[in-house]
Amino acid sequence: EAQVTQNPRYLITVTGKKLTVTCSQNMNHEYMSWYRQDPGLGLRQIYYSMNVEVTDKGDVPEGYKVSRKEKRNFPLILESPSPNQTSLYFCASSPRLPRFGYGYTFGSGTRLTVV
Amino acid sequence: SQQGEEDPQALSIQEGENATMNCSYKTSINNLQWYRQNSGRGLVHLILIRSNEREKHSGRLRVTLDTSKKSSSLLITASRAADTASYFCATDESNDYKLSFGAGTTVTVRA
Repeated sequence: EAQVTQNPRYLITVTGKKLTVTCSQNMNHEYMSWYRQDPGLGLRQIYYSMNVEVTDKGDVPEGYKVSRKEKRNFPLILESPSPNQTSLYFCASSPRLPRFGYGYTFGSGTRLTVV
Repeated sequence: SQQGEEDPQALSIQEGENATMNCSYKTSINNLQWYRQNSGRGLVHLILIRSNEREKHSGRLRVTLDTSKKSSSLLITASRAADTASYFCATDESNDYKLSFGAGTTVTVRA
């Protein structure tokens, strides 16, 4: 089944403790992206990647890192999480850049709470 | 940055009725897409309409696009309880590298 797999689904952590949210897709998509969803603010892009070893900042990159060493994986790293990073996170992928007429396939989401 | 804005914010209808929601955006786009999200789950792609298209259908969904007014509408006909969800429009600005999402319309279909 074609899908984007995120793990974990839920995570509660303490301020400052490094964490990684994994994202993997099995569709050979070139483009991958991370969003966070917050009430009243909608979905905001954190980082994106157009292909292996090609990543760039989205609208809200502060406090996050990403890497794209393999085409299928795009982990999101929080080096020193803070309470304002409490949010619902989504990984998404598409065959190429959305502006070429491609929709996203989303993962199921990771609900992160930082205390 | 939020490119699209949906209207209304919330909508409650009876099963069998039609649901219409609108999306307005600010800059020129290549495509406009609609997504559905069930309570806290991942968004699901519903339909894409290109900037040179005016109307598109997919099953019980009908999407219109008016680029002169920078607006789109999503019509769900003969609604079912399973259509209860939040609906988001998403746009790609001409030279951008992402989809920008609106805040969504929450649709409740009453049995």
